[in-house]
Amino acid sequence: DAKTTQPPSMDCAEGRAANLPCNHSTISGNEYVYWYRQIHSQGPQYIIHGLKNNETNEMASLIITEDRKSSTLILPHATLRDTAVYYCIVAGGTSYGKLTFGQGTILTVHP
Amino acid sequence: NAGVTQTPKFQVLKTGQSMTLQCAQDMNHNSMYWYRQDPGMGLRLIYYSASEGTTDKGEVPNGYNVSRLNKREFSLRLESAAPSQTSVYFCASSLPLQPQHFGDGTRLSIL
Repeated sequence: DAKTTQPPSMDCAEGRAANLPCNHSTISGNEYVYWYRQIHSQGPQYIIHGLKNNETNEMASLIITEDRKSSTLILPHATLRDTAVYYCIVAGGTSYGKLTFGQGTILTVHP
Repeated sequence: NAGVTQTPKFQVLKTGQSMTLQCAQDMNHNSMYWYRQDPGMGLRLIYYSASEGTTDKGEVPNGYNVSRLNKREFSLRLESAAPSQTSVYFCASSLPLQPQHFGDGTRLSIL
């Protein structure tokens, strides 16, 4: 499975955009980039995923570079409730649906 | 529509005791998964079931058994609990290659 690299922590002011980077330089052609987050000790919550095109939904936008070696999750207007651990995961292809969670990025949104 | 339901939410066991963690989903998903999360770490896959009637080992299967009872239910059994199995256990479900939906977890302490 391809592995990902994320910064351990980031801060963001409430109301501003939060941009969370992820490197996945060994991603293979049939693997997707998934983003999940975990608030406190709750179960992880799916945010968004993509293969090679940029994606947007009601929660966030996902920007994937043309060479697919890195991506950025964008929360356009962060709120205090967005404080969480954000996981970038590469999955698909021969790994079937199995997800490999790293340690993620702790995003803290400040008032 | 409850999503993924895990029982119990909390449990304390003594070393050597056995226990079954229950998971049920009402989303008609084919695939189900069991993860564990140790403090400060990401989730690690224990077992998964791609479809009813099949189960496969994940990253950390030792000390656990699973049963895919029917399409809705996927249980995780600890035959002889050890302190190293103290963790938070999460169950998830999904359609094939689609995002996973997680339960709220079972917090298990083994003394």
